[in-house]
Amino acid sequence: KAGVTQTPRYLIKTRGQQVTLSCSPISGHRSVSWYQQTPGQGLQFLFEYFSETQRNKGNFPGRFSGRQFSNSRSEMNVSTLELGDSALYLCASSLDNRVEETQYFGPGTRLLVL
Amino acid sequence: GNSVTQMEGPVTLSEEAFLTINCTYTATGYPSLFWYVQYPGEGLQLLLKATKADDKGSNKGFEATYRKETTSFHLEKGSVQVSDSAVYFCALRIRAGGTSYGKLTFGQGTILTVHP
Repeated sequence: KAGVTQTPRYLIKTRGQQVTLSCSPISGHRSVSWYQQTPGQGLQFLFEYFSETQRNKGNFPGRFSGRQFSNSRSEMNVSTLELGDSALYLCASSLDNRVEETQYFGPGTRLLVL
Repeated sequence: GNSVTQMEGPVTLSEEAFLTINCTYTATGYPSLFWYVQYPGEGLQLLLKATKADDKGSNKGFEATYRKETTSFHLEKGSVQVSDSAVYFCALRIRAGGTSYGKLTFGQGTILTVHP
């Protein structure tokens, strides 16, 4: 079975621009979560989607948004980019959103904001 | 709130040494506990997990036991290899009553370097 895939892998943007990141979960997985990883803040939860509905949201400004499609693929969007948005963005999928279920991570999208 | 605290790193060991990475947690419900590993330039891989008290997770020679009385989930390995060099993250997912939560709460990560 193919793992979680994320595109693009690397991205360079300038302040004020917007960006869309894509995540394809493992086949059959219905839950997708997004995390931001930075050296200063570590791994922080952005949001979780299950069956096309946002079930949980972290403490990020409204510039961060996401959605999930009927095939469970997910996108996240960041508008009006700031320098502090430079990070590794990780997507994770699981079969469902039960706490016992393992979340499987993709390789991440590394975003650099100049 | 819910939180995870890992021992301060980095940790440097010689090959075949014994490894312990401490992890303690604070949770308002009944968490499942996980250890993830991140190799340079990659995403996170699940190393092991335990979903209830006294469960022991194990994989690739690594072990961790879910200790509810001490709210701990320490990672151990009897003999480390150079290939174990990576960053290790302890994490929890919490259930409160009948509700499921997808969010993983991570510790700050521990960098492990193993020398030949």
